[in-house]
Amino acid sequence: DIQLTQSPSFLSASVGDRVTITCRASQGISSYLAWYQQKPGKAPKLLISAASTLQSGVPSRFSGSGSGTEFTLTISSLQPEDFATYYCQQLNSYPFGGGTKVEIK
Amino acid sequence: QVQLVQSEAEVKKPGASVKVSCEASGYAFSGYYIHWVRQAPGQGLEWMGWMHPNSGGTRYAQRFQGRVTMTRDTSINTAYMELTRLTSDDTAVFYCARALCSDAGCYLFDIWGQGTLVTVSS
Repeated sequence: DIQLTQSPSFLSASVGDRVTITCRASQGISSYLAWYQQKPGKAPKLLISAASTLQSGVPSRFSGSGSGTEFTLTISSLQPEDFATYYCQQLNSYPFGGGTKVEIK
Repeated sequence: QVQLVQSEAEVKKPGASVKVSCEASGYAFSGYYIHWVRQAPGQGLEWMGWMHPNSGGTRYAQRFQGRVTMTRDTSINTAYMELTRLTSDDTAVFYCARALCSDAGCYLFDIWGQGTLVTVSS
């Protein structure tokens, strides 16, 4: 099975910071990767599909890139509502990454 | 609007079973896979399996094989997930999610239910 490893697992940042989260796959998965955002007590929300396709309604400060085995989710200017846990997921199978919790510094 | 509405929280004793429902509205229920995802307190997302409402076909994650059953009632646009032989390790929020298909497969979860907390305690 393909494993997804996210880093860091936790990060502390301030409003306005540029934040980058990495997701590495144990084997190449082309661009078959999605990113989700989950706030406490809520269901995950789909942000990005196909590694870089922003879902409708998702702010443009979010972007995704990468292919093969290394992917990144970038928030260009962190906003108060962005403090949450982010998960990557491969689209040709089921595993999720372990998650990255973004907290306020 | 397109949504999935799940059943209310449950408290079960060890060894019991739980059946969680997931009612779809705003789209053609039979046209999309429904997946189930478990999230233990403070932990990440764990895929449990999928069910296709049109055929009733299923695929389960290996760790839940023999304990989970996913079914549907197309007359009321509702999917079900039943988990048996519960232990305290099954205390978690269970989510249903609609999946979109791509060239890769049908694992892109665009709509999620609100989650159902199942607490297993003696």
